[in-house]
Amino acid sequence: AQSVAQPEDQVNVAEGNPLTVKCTYSVSGNPYLFWYVQYPNRGLQFLLKYITGDNLVKGSYGFEAEFNKSQTSFHLKKPSALVSDSALYFCAVRDYGNNRLAFGKGNQVVVIP
Amino acid sequence: GAGVSQSPSNKVTEKGKDVELRCDPISGHTALYWYRQSLGQGLEFLIYFQGNSAPDKSGLPSDRFSAERTGGSVSTLTIQRTQQEDSAVYLCASSLVAVNTGELFFGEGSRLTVL
Repeated sequence: AQSVAQPEDQVNVAEGNPLTVKCTYSVSGNPYLFWYVQYPNRGLQFLLKYITGDNLVKGSYGFEAEFNKSQTSFHLKKPSALVSDSALYFCAVRDYGNNRLAFGKGNQVVVIP
Repeated sequence: GAGVSQSPSNKVTEKGKDVELRCDPISGHTALYWYRQSLGQGLEFLIYFQGNSAPDKSGLPSDRFSAERTGGSVSTLTIQRTQQEDSAVYLCASSLVAVNTGELFFGEGSRLTVL
């Protein structure tokens, strides 16, 4: 089965500093990778996806993610974090053979003013 | 509606009672998913509908859990004889077609607390 791992439980970053949320994947075949964000008491919102093409994918709210095949990683990045970026971030991979996404356990991001 | 709607938003019930959770997907979306979100556990897949059929119900944790979808639209997740370990946020998502390269649209969830 396809899976993703998000090794950190919480990421703390000062406002204005770069933000990185880590994700590694395990798939057979070409990976379809996604990032979602969940603000407090809200549903998950799509941020960006990698299907094919450029390894650097740009998404909503100034976020981007870099697909690295050799390291099997798909880290989420933002050059300058905002307090409003404080949320729960989920990495996901399409589960081949099943029409669904497999999600990681999520990372809580706290941006400190 | 404009988005995926779930009800109730909060449900507190006593152990042993049955509960029903409802999901109204985005109009025209043929695929519908139920996930469960528990603290520290991430999102756990429960069941997937394509139209009114459920080709994948492998994530349902026990036979106390069932779901149906009618008219290719509204879905109901039923939990019978609830247990405390059923306490979680139940998320519904829909997509235009079964997830391939597209995105899922999530509702805000139904928070279930079993006392």
